[in-house]
Amino acid sequence: QSALTQPASVSGSPGQSITISCSGINSDVGSYNFVSWYQQHPGKAPKVVIYEVSKRPSGVSNRFSGSMSGNTASLTISGLQAEDEAEYFCCSNAGGSTTYWVFGGGTKLTVL
Amino acid sequence: QVQLQESGPGLVKPSQTLSLTCNVSGGSLRSGGYYWTWIRQHPGKGLEWLGYIYYTGNTYYNPSLKSRVTISVDTSKNQFSLRLSSVTAADTAVYYCARRLVNNLFDPWGQGTLVTVSS
Repeated sequence: QSALTQPASVSGSPGQSITISCSGINSDVGSYNFVSWYQQHPGKAPKVVIYEVSKRPSGVSNRFSGSMSGNTASLTISGLQAEDEAEYFCCSNAGGSTTYWVFGGGTKLTVL
Repeated sequence: QVQLQESGPGLVKPSQTLSLTCNVSGGSLRSGGYYWTWIRQHPGKGLEWLGYIYYTGNTYYNPSLKSRVTISVDTSKNQFSLRLSSVTAADTAVYYCARRLVNNLFDPWGQGTLVTVSS
């Protein structure tokens, strides 16, 4: 199974909103509601910001939100802050089961 | 609060076997509902799920690596391990251990350990 498809980079100014897309084949994103999103700062381990498409873990800012339409999941960050500058990865189960997982290639968010 | 820490050699020779261990602290690896996971990240690239293990020993592997990957668990030491055989330079990556929760997210992650395959 190939990785999920994300744009290589997005950018926005402080206070603005940005959306990162994650597209996959039918047996990936479109079949289940098990999409999660991870934020990774340079040299650090990834940290979950969204799970099961749109749920936010405790402690994650409500500026982060997730959605899905068809075979494409999206992560929206509103009210951009400098600390949001990071790499973002989507993740989904694949192969029609919950025993195999794939990640997107990652999107570099630059806060201008 | 569960914490994970990877350990193992940072340099492995081509054709040899890469071996890493993940120590689990702050919680028991025997707690039901969790899958103990290995994920890697090639330099400057995306993430790749390698596989995971349940405390009972049931394993699930990435089909693209299945013939070379073995994940095992030692509940007495609260650790789980990764073995990747016949490594090449393409296996050079940062290797992370993580916990998959019942609600299908990976959390927490270890800090990651860089493994370089080179002679």
